[in-house]
Amino acid sequence: GAGVSQSPSNKVTEKGKDVELRCDPISGHTALYWYRQRLGQGLEFLIYFQGNSAPDKSGLPSDRFSAERTGESVSTLTIQRTQQEDSAVYLCASSLSSIFGNTIYFGEGSWLTVV
Amino acid sequence: AQSVTQPDIHITVSEGASLELRCNYSYGATPYLFWYVQSPGQGLQLLLKYFSGDTLVQGIKGFEAEFKRSQSSFNLRKPSVHWSDAAEYFCAVAKQGAQKLVFGQGTRLTINP
Repeated sequence: GAGVSQSPSNKVTEKGKDVELRCDPISGHTALYWYRQRLGQGLEFLIYFQGNSAPDKSGLPSDRFSAERTGESVSTLTIQRTQQEDSAVYLCASSLSSIFGNTIYFGEGSWLTVV
Repeated sequence: AQSVTQPDIHITVSEGASLELRCNYSYGATPYLFWYVQSPGQGLQLLLKYFSGDTLVQGIKGFEAEFKRSQSSFNLRKPSVHWSDAAEYFCAVAKQGAQKLVFGQGTRLTINP
């Protein structure tokens, strides 16, 4: 597609359940980012993938959060045993190589509500 | 640690008026600086970025920003706003050599007709 695609766009889940959020980056983009945006707040960095390099996981808030990416394609963010504080918009972004000299393109996000 | 402060949570201006959105950062060296806009139902869009060189940067949609090292600021300006500029605006910084952006909390812009 023309842009970064995320699914589902909305997800309501019960506390304690696991959720998977999917991101399809723009074709050819080697860099992929996940961010979290809580209501009324800025974006928090979660994880960064660059090609086949080891991902930068320094922003993952707990071991309940994990993400995978196969090559330079789809990425999945998994949240295990969801808690109410996980409610947020999860934004995926991609760029050609890195932010330096290349524009980062964001998806519209996956709205997660934990009840 | 790096931090970004957007002092104004919400700003209201009249259509046609000038606009300045403030952004201050805390970091020892000059970081890379960005402004993004988030419109309802849409993803974040890059307005402009500063890496080095001329401290006045021109962006899309008639926006510009000025980097002031002495004030650790990167304020966004537009001489005459349009109703379509109503959105949330985020300032972001990245440490040179790092790949992750640190975002401010955002400023919500409302335009009065």
